[in-house]
Amino acid sequence: AQSVAQPEDQVNVAEGNPLTVKCTYSVSGNPYLFWYVQYPNRGLQFLLKYITGDNLVKGSYGFEAEFNKSQTSFHLKKPSALVSDSALYFCAVRDPYSGAGSYQLTFGKGTKLSVIP
Amino acid sequence: DAGVTQSPTHLIKTRGQQVTLRCSPKSGHDTVSWYQQALGQGPQFIFQYYEEEERQRGNFPDRFSGHQFPNYSSELNVNALLLGDSALYLCASSQAAWSYEQYFGPGTRLTVT
Repeated sequence: AQSVAQPEDQVNVAEGNPLTVKCTYSVSGNPYLFWYVQYPNRGLQFLLKYITGDNLVKGSYGFEAEFNKSQTSFHLKKPSALVSDSALYFCAVRDPYSGAGSYQLTFGKGTKLSVIP
Repeated sequence: DAGVTQSPTHLIKTRGQQVTLRCSPKSGHDTVSWYQQALGQGPQFIFQYYEEEERQRGNFPDRFSGHQFPNYSSELNVNALLLGDSALYLCASSQAAWSYEQYFGPGTRLTVT
C-alpha cells in the first residue's frame, strides 16, 4: 500500500527567507510524486510533479522539489518566501505499478505554511 | 479554458437522506476522480471513472456510488447519509492518455445534520 507522511503540521518562515516543506513516501515501486496547494475554502492547485528524470523539478510560483530515492523524500522548497505563499500544502503519491492502487493519489495530511511579514 | 467545475458549492442534508454532487471536467480531459476531504485532513480517494465505468475504487462503502456521462461529466451519489459524511468533496479530472497530474475543482461542502 502507498502512503505519504508530512511530519510537520505547521511551518513558519519569515518573508524573504527560504522555505522547506517536508514529505516522505512509501510505495512498492517507482513513485509518481506531486505537490498541491490549497487556499482557504478552495480546491487544490497543482504545483509540480516528479515522474522520472532529473531529481530536481521546478514548478509554479517559484517552487521546486527534490526527489531523493534513497531517503524516500520529496521536499518542497522555495528560495525566498512571500506572504502570499501562506496556505496549506499537500504532498501526494501515486504508484503506477501497484495494480489495484495504480490510478489513485494518496495524500499526506497537509502542512500549513505561514509566511510572516 | 474552463477548469473543473462542481455544483452545488454548499449543501446541507439530514442524516439518512441521499445526495448527488456534480462535476464537469476540464476541457480535453476524459477521466474523473472523486475525493473526500474531512476537516483537517488530506483528500481521500473515493473512486475514478473512465470511459463511463468505475476504473478504481478506494476504501469507501457501497453507499458511495457514481456515474460518468458520455460528455465525461460525472456525478457522486451518497445514500443513507451519516454525520461522518460531512466533508469537502473534490472532483479532479485528468487526461488518461498523456496527463499525469489531476486538476481539482473548488469542491462541494456537504454538511450532514
